[in-house]
Amino acid sequence: SQKIEQNSEALNIQEGKTATLTCNYTNYSPAYLQWYRQDPGRGPVFLLLIRENEKEKRKERLKVTFDTTLKQSLFHITASQPADSATYLCALPGHNTNAGKSTFGDGTTLTVKP
Amino acid sequence: GAVVSQHPSRVICKSGTSVKIECRSLDFQATTMFWYRQFPKQSLMLMATSNEGSKATYEQGVEKDKFLINHASLTLSTLTVTSAHPEDSSFYICSAEDRNWEQYFGPGTRLTVT
Repeated sequence: SQKIEQNSEALNIQEGKTATLTCNYTNYSPAYLQWYRQDPGRGPVFLLLIRENEKEKRKERLKVTFDTTLKQSLFHITASQPADSATYLCALPGHNTNAGKSTFGDGTTLTVKP
Repeated sequence: GAVVSQHPSRVICKSGTSVKIECRSLDFQATTMFWYRQFPKQSLMLMATSNEGSKATYEQGVEKDKFLINHASLTLSTLTVTSAHPEDSSFYICSAEDRNWEQYFGPGTRLTVT
């Protein structure tokens, strides 16, 4: 089964800086990869989906890269704000017949200090 | 964007009783919904895949007789925790998948069994 590692459990940065979160996987390369944001006591909120043939995807201050050779995705938040503080999860779909069963990483909790 | 609701958001029950949690996709039809549980500071663990009109598919180690899932329509799935015990206390989250592989999560249900 797919194993996902997110770089660190917690990341603290100063407001205005760029936050970079890492998601590494160990098994088969998925057709796509997703990033979610989760606030305490709430369900995850979908942010971005990047497909295997896409190197990079952007949405406002968010940027995601996908390197299938390195088996890694990077998630960047530029000009970070305290409101960006949350836990960010990466998720990969299942393989073949289990495509709908996403596997989630443990998440990285980002704290942006004013 | 697509909205998924869960009810109740928080429930406290006594050991031995059963609790039903509802998951609804409010503005789209979902043939597939997923049920997760999440313990503090841990990631989402998939419990089962709920398919409209057919039996749910449970993940290894999840007792199907304890966690009853009914996907009655394209917009409603229910999870019933039967004969609940304190170790069943957790955060239960459902999600519904659209045609673009994007999962939309409900806000979660905090279950406390006393």
